[in-house]
Amino acid sequence: GDSVTQMEGPVTLSEEAFLTINCTYTATGYPSLFWYVQYPGEGLQLLLKATKADDKGSNKGFEATYRKETTSFRLEKGSVQVSDSAVYFCALRDSSNTGKLIFGQGTTLQVKP
Amino acid sequence: DAGITQSPRHKVTETGTPVTLRCHQTENHRYMYWYRQDPGHGLRLIHYSYGVKDTDKGEVSDGYSVSRSKTEDFLLTLESATSSQTSVYFCAISGGPEETQYFGPGTRLLVL
Repeated sequence: GDSVTQMEGPVTLSEEAFLTINCTYTATGYPSLFWYVQYPGEGLQLLLKATKADDKGSNKGFEATYRKETTSFRLEKGSVQVSDSAVYFCALRDSSNTGKLIFGQGTTLQVKP
Repeated sequence: DAGITQSPRHKVTETGTPVTLRCHQTENHRYMYWYRQDPGHGLRLIHYSYGVKDTDKGEVSDGYSVSRSKTEDFLLTLESATSSQTSVYFCAISGGPEETQYFGPGTRLLVL
């Protein structure tokens, strides 16, 4: 079945460092891909999405490009802030027409001043 | 922010007792979902609903039941709670299967 794999971390960076979180998927066809962010004690918020190959999603300085050749959706940010400390989830929408999301394990990011 | 609330936000219960979690939305969205979040697993779908009285199972539905008697409310019931159901439960809503899902704040459940 469909699956998503991402580095669990934790990832610890200094403020203004470059962030990369890898995400790869296994699925039939070309599913829509998402990055969600979960701040401490809160629910998940949609960070960005891409619905077809070569699409680039972007929001709040974060970017991710849908790479069908490598079945990947890597999240990047050029200069992280302490406020970016959170858990980041990569997800795909499966092909069952139920809207079901398949999530990766989540990557914890800690940014130190 | 999407209008989604979950209640209770925290609950401690004992093994064998029934537990009901509520998800309430003010967006009039047709689709509603229950996920559980566990370390190392991300979020996994328990049940979902595609309309009033229309529900179906997700990948981890054993031990759970759901009901949706009106558009705005989606209830998740643990008939007889077990320690393996200790988790954080999230409700999500969307306007349709191709639309973005918005998540509630979560319910933290501890089964002793």
